[in-house]
Amino acid sequence: GAGVSQSPSNKVTEKGKDVELRCDPISGHTALYWYRQSLGQGLEFLIYFQGNSAPDKSGLPSDRFSAERTGGSVSTLTIQRTQQEDSAVYLCASSLREPSSYEQYFGPGTRLTVT
Amino acid sequence: AQSVTQLGSHVSVSEGALVLLRCNYSSSVPPYLFWYVQYPNQGLQLLLKYTSAATLVKGINGFEAEFKKSETSFHLTKPSAHMSDAAEYFCAVSFSGGYNKLIFGAGTRLAVHS
Repeated sequence: GAGVSQSPSNKVTEKGKDVELRCDPISGHTALYWYRQSLGQGLEFLIYFQGNSAPDKSGLPSDRFSAERTGGSVSTLTIQRTQQEDSAVYLCASSLREPSSYEQYFGPGTRLTVT
Repeated sequence: AQSVTQLGSHVSVSEGALVLLRCNYSSSVPPYLFWYVQYPNQGLQLLLKYTSAATLVKGINGFEAEFKKSETSFHLTKPSAHMSDAAEYFCAVSFSGGYNKLIFGAGTRLAVHS
C-alpha cells in the first residue's frame, strides 16, 4: 500500500519568503508528526496531531512555524519569513494512534534550503 | 526528562564482522525504545522496537537489540555485517503519556568495508 508522501521533495527559497510543506499520511492513520533533521540539531520533534487537533506543539522553534491538518488527513507545515537556520530536512510520520507501542511510518522528507 | 545517547557517531566494520551500535537512555517513566535506519536520501525505517514485552527484540535484516533496565541500555547488534547495512542508525525513546513523540539520539553512521 501507499506510504507517507511529502511534497515537494526539495525546496529552495530566499531568506524572508514563506514556504509550505505538505504531508499525506497513510490512510486511516489518525496520528501525525512533524520532525526536523538538521546538521546541528539532529532529529527534533516539532508537532503532533491527533485527528485535526494538535495537543503537542512544544517542538515548534518559533512563532514563524505553524501547522494545520484538515479532514484528519493532509497536513501542511508553514514557515513564515524563512531564515537560513531553517534549512533542514522536514520529516513527516504517521501512526494508527497512541499508545506508544504503535510504529511511526516516516515519509521521505522535504529538503529545505534557505539562501 | 527523557534523552538518548548514542556512543560513537561513526562505526566501521569489516564485511562479516559483528555489528554493535550502542544506545543508552534516560527516562523517569517506563520507556518504549526503537531503532531506526536511514539510507541516503531516504526517510526513516523501523528496525525494531521494545514495548515492555520480551527484553530481547528481533528486527528486520538480522538485527536484534536487548533492553537492559539495570544498564539503561538498548544496544543494537547483528552477528555478520553486510555491505548493504551501511547507513545511519538512530536510537529513539518515547513514553506513555508523551503522545508517542520520539526523542532521538544523534545517530551512528555505520560503514562496512570489504
